[in-house]
Amino acid sequence: AQSVTQLGSHVSVSEGALVLLRCNYSSSVPPYLFWYVQYPNQGLQLLLKYTSAATLVKGINGFEAEFKKSETSFHLTKPSAHMSDAAEYFCAVRETSGSRLTFGEGTQLTVNP
Amino acid sequence: DGGITQSPKYLFRKEGQNVTLSCEQNLNHDAMYWYRQDPGQGLRLIYYSQIVNDFQKGDIAEGYSVSREKKESFPLTVTSAQKNPTAFYLCASSSGVRIRSNQPQHFGDGTRLSIL
Repeated sequence: AQSVTQLGSHVSVSEGALVLLRCNYSSSVPPYLFWYVQYPNQGLQLLLKYTSAATLVKGINGFEAEFKKSETSFHLTKPSAHMSDAAEYFCAVRETSGSRLTFGEGTQLTVNP
Repeated sequence: DGGITQSPKYLFRKEGQNVTLSCEQNLNHDAMYWYRQDPGQGLRLIYYSQIVNDFQKGDIAEGYSVSREKKESFPLTVTSAQKNPTAFYLCASSSGVRIRSNQPQHFGDGTRLSIL
């Protein structure tokens, strides 16, 4: 079965600092990978997705993620944090032959002024 | 605008009562999903449906039931058998496996269920 591990349930950065949210997956074949963001009392919004076309994926709001097969990782980064980036972020994996997503437990990002 | 509508946004249940959460989508998606979200536990799949009149259990289906009579609608019933129903419930949809499985899931804004 697929699994996703997000290292760090809480990450705190200063405004303007680099954001790095970690995601590792377990899969016997290269999966489809996604990052979602959730603001309080709202649903999940897609930030970006990896679909094997390129290892570096750019998403909305200045976020990007790099797929590293050797490390089974798909870490999310943003060069300069903004106060509006404060939210919970979820990494998810979907098998190439199925429609189910498996989510990580989420990382709460706090941005300090 | 196309999207997913969940209603109500807040719902209260009495002990021993069944309640139904509504999920409607106008994205013409084949597949629909129900997740439960608890603090610190991410999202857990309750039920999903890849086509009308068919659905499968997810990882935590006990105490829940669903139906899929129309492509646009996938209501979730939280039955009295679900002993700890207090949670945030999210509905999602996607284009399904028949088109391209790299298509993401799109989410509604959720329903928060509490016990009185």
